[in-house]
Amino acid sequence: GENVEQHPSTLSVQEGDSAVIKCTYSDSASNYFPWYKQELGKRPQLIIDIRSNVGEKKDQRIAVTLNKTAKHFSLHITETQPEDSAVYFCAFHSGYSTLTFGKGTMLLVSP
Amino acid sequence: DTEVTQTPKHLVMGMTNKKSLKCEQHMGHRAMYWYKQKAKKPPELMFVYSYEKLSINESVPSRFSPECPNSSLLNLHLHALQPEDSALYLCASSQVGLGESSYEQYFGPGTRLTVT
Repeated sequence: GENVEQHPSTLSVQEGDSAVIKCTYSDSASNYFPWYKQELGKRPQLIIDIRSNVGEKKDQRIAVTLNKTAKHFSLHITETQPEDSAVYFCAFHSGYSTLTFGKGTMLLVSP
Repeated sequence: DTEVTQTPKHLVMGMTNKKSLKCEQHMGHRAMYWYKQKAKKPPELMFVYSYEKLSINESVPSRFSPECPNSSLLNLHLHALQPEDSALYLCASSQVGLGESSYEQYFGPGTRLTVT
């Protein structure tokens, strides 16, 4: 079935460093790739997304890149801050208005 | 209004109880979703409603019964649950249609359910 692999499962960085999370998906027909941030005890929050006709999208300190040929996309966070600490989920649109989620990456930013 | 709301925030119920979770959105979205999320796991899709009709049931046990009374409301009726059903239940909504904006899903804060 359709799936997405997300790596790493845990990522620890020092404040100010960059963080990169990578996802590889299986469905070549996918054309929408969102990233969600979920803080402890809170809802998943859509932080950035990219569509198949764009290779890169940036919003302040976060950016997402997409390589459709290789079927992978990545989240980049620059100048990390302690409030960036959360679980990040990648996902892709898998038809019938549904999203398939990766297993998540716990990002820990130490002051 | 750009928010999905859910009630209650927390719910503790026994295995013989009947309870309902509620979800509401006023963004004009015509697709609504129920997800189940266990600790340290991604959201797991349960049901999808499109234009108030059930379009996807991901083989969810019948002790979970969804209902969509109108375009803004989504309920999840619970009966005879098991302890392993304890989880965070998330509601989400999105637009429906051929446009790319229809893919964006917005989540409610969830109901933390504990079955004793």
